[in-house]
Amino acid sequence: SYELTQPPSVSVSPGQTARITCSGDALPKQYAYWYQQKPGQAPVLVIYKDSERPSGIPERFSGSSSGTTVTLTISGVQAEDEADYYCQSADSSGTYGVFGGGTKLTVL
Amino acid sequence: EVQLVESGGGLVKPGGSLRLSCAASGFTFSSYSMNWVRQAPGKGLEWVSSISSSSSYIYYADSVKGRFTISRDNAKNSLYLQMNSLRAEDTAVYYCARDSEGGGVGFDYWGQGTLVTVSS
Repeated sequence: SYELTQPPSVSVSPGQTARITCSGDALPKQYAYWYQQKPGQAPVLVIYKDSERPSGIPERFSGSSSGTTVTLTISGVQAEDEADYYCQSADSSGTYGVFGGGTKLTVL
Repeated sequence: EVQLVESGGGLVKPGGSLRLSCAASGFTFSSYSMNWVRQAPGKGLEWVSSISSSSSYIYYADSVKGRFTISRDNAKNSLYLQMNSLRAEDTAVYYCARDSEGGGVGFDYWGQGTLVTVSS
């Protein structure tokens, strides 16, 4: 079955830039989405269609795509950004949703 | 304001059944594909099933195919998940999620989830 691969954890100091990668063979053909999830809460969409930011999401969140890898970048990380982040896309046919394993962002 | 409210979770024995519901408001429900996504305790997110706006297209993850049935009632602005032959590994918080606009397979609004526990 199709898989998306994320690093299990990323750590940064406040004010620095965090980059979380997600790799998958179908990413050149399918859009990627990124979700932020804090403990006990539902996921929140922070990036859609590789690099678009929903209204209400701070400008420090951005997304990019290159080949089979997509990247979520958080510039000027704040303590409130500490959370689990999941990438999500679809299989090559665009039929089935697929999530990455999630990355725990720790703000030191 | 878009709202998705799940209900129907609870404790069920292995082999049992449960029906989840998701009440939608704040948008034209009949215009959007909808999804169920689950999260086992301490684990990551797993897409479970999707249904198109008119129920013409329905898809399931391999892990639930043949046991779960997704459906919707556009007149009642409601999404459902009938879960049969439940297993311990189906224990999870189940979220309903709306398809995002503009193509692609992604989810722009999520409910708060309902917990399903499968245990004897």
